[in-house]
Amino acid sequence: AQKVTQAQTEISVVEKEDVTLDCVYETRDTTYYLFWYKQPPSGELVFLIRRNSFDEQNEISGRYSWNFQKSTSSFNFTITASQVVDSAVYFCALSAFTGTASKLTFGTGTRLQVTL
Amino acid sequence: EAGVVQSPRYKIIEKKQPVAFWCNPISGHNTLYWYRQNLGQGPELLIRYENEEAVDDSQLPKDRFSAERLKGVDSTLKIQPAELGDSAVYLCASSFADSLGGSPLHFGNGTRLTVT
Repeated sequence: AQKVTQAQTEISVVEKEDVTLDCVYETRDTTYYLFWYKQPPSGELVFLIRRNSFDEQNEISGRYSWNFQKSTSSFNFTITASQVVDSAVYFCALSAFTGTASKLTFGTGTRLQVTL
Repeated sequence: EAGVVQSPRYKIIEKKQPVAFWCNPISGHNTLYWYRQNLGQGPELLIRYENEEAVDDSQLPKDRFSAERLKGVDSTLKIQPAELGDSAVYLCASSFADSLGGSPLHFGNGTRLTVT
């Protein structure tokens, strides 16, 4: 069984603050992928990043950075100098290959509210 | 590149009525998914197609839900009869075929269904 936990239901920050969204996952499989998606008020989930289980290298893309740590089963997402346009619900997801098929499981999401 | 197209955007029906949702995936994407997203939750998979074949429909309530992807391109999801608990956002997504589950999903805007 696989599971994704996003313990933070809602976070509110003031613009220009840094914010970290936590994601903890569970899987028994050795081959898996982790994803982050953004869901703005328009409703469409937008793919942000993918990491595979064999690549623990952290990644930075502009104001976004991701910290993948297998030792703690975490894949946290940091937004530096947050902006109002970052307001959205962010989902962490896990896709694990079970030997016959893969299955994608989403967390419950973290709602980020950035205010002026 | 055109994204995943879904229609209608909103649908309000009375319980026990039938309803259908349509999805046209990104050109070239073999895999098509239907997800259901309840308020405050992450998306949950209903069915996944590889071309015309439904390869995972274990979460589809088959007594009232049906889906088809006859030509391996666009797809229709139907509910008959609808129940109050079916109120949710129905999301369609597509991706390239990837047995290990590493291909990011591209989502449509979803259909918000309200059953009264």
